[in-house]
Amino acid sequence: QLQLQESGPGLVKPSETLSLTCTVSGGSIRGSSYYWGWIRQPPGKGLEWIGYIYYSGTTYSNPSLRSRVTISVDTSKNQFSLKLSSVTAADTAVYYCATYSGDYSFDNWGQGTQVTVSS
Amino acid sequence: DIQMTQSPSTLSASVGDRVTITCRASQSINSWLAWYQQKPGKAPKLLIYQASSLKSGVPSRFSGSGSGTEFTLIISSLQPDDFATYYCQHYNNFSPYTFGQGTKLEIK
Repeated sequence: QLQLQESGPGLVKPSETLSLTCTVSGGSIRGSSYYWGWIRQPPGKGLEWIGYIYYSGTTYSNPSLRSRVTISVDTSKNQFSLKLSSVTAADTAVYYCATYSGDYSFDNWGQGTQVTVSS
Repeated sequence: DIQMTQSPSTLSASVGDRVTITCRASQSINSWLAWYQQKPGKAPKLLIYQASSLKSGVPSRFSGSGSGTEFTLIISSLQPDDFATYYCQHYNNFSPYTFGQGTKLEIK
């Protein structure tokens, strides 16, 4: 059974870059039919899709964040990563990594990691 | 972008009740709709995919229906474990994936 675990700093300063990694266990990113994605949830609010990546490196992201988002994959470490540049307080949220498929949508989720943007 | 609107935003119900949550899309998404359950401090859990297919392991009291722009999630007989927030989400590949604002199901 696939398990996903987010990791990264819990506090980021305004204008800096948020960097998170998702480590996958119980399966391999390489050759998988899944897309490997990121979703966030500001405190007390709903869910926002950030983007996802295929093991080949092909990425798709939300146009509202595209100019600031970089998603990458390291198949040798079975990890994928999110970078969000020029952060502001509006980027404070719980960030989840999740698997996406065209049949099921987002069906395996990490537990989430809180990221706060503050000086 | 496709907007997803859920109603109601909050729903009070009792154990054993039949509950219906509605989700409307701003344009047709065929059957590319998923429903999730989220409990406080936890990640969302996929319940229903492709509008009406029950994910393996999800209790059969959950069901989904609809196509096009109007969808429903029904819980046939509420159990104590079902009190949570529910989100719909479209996954039409021609538009960024968006979620509804959520429906909080509370104990009456």
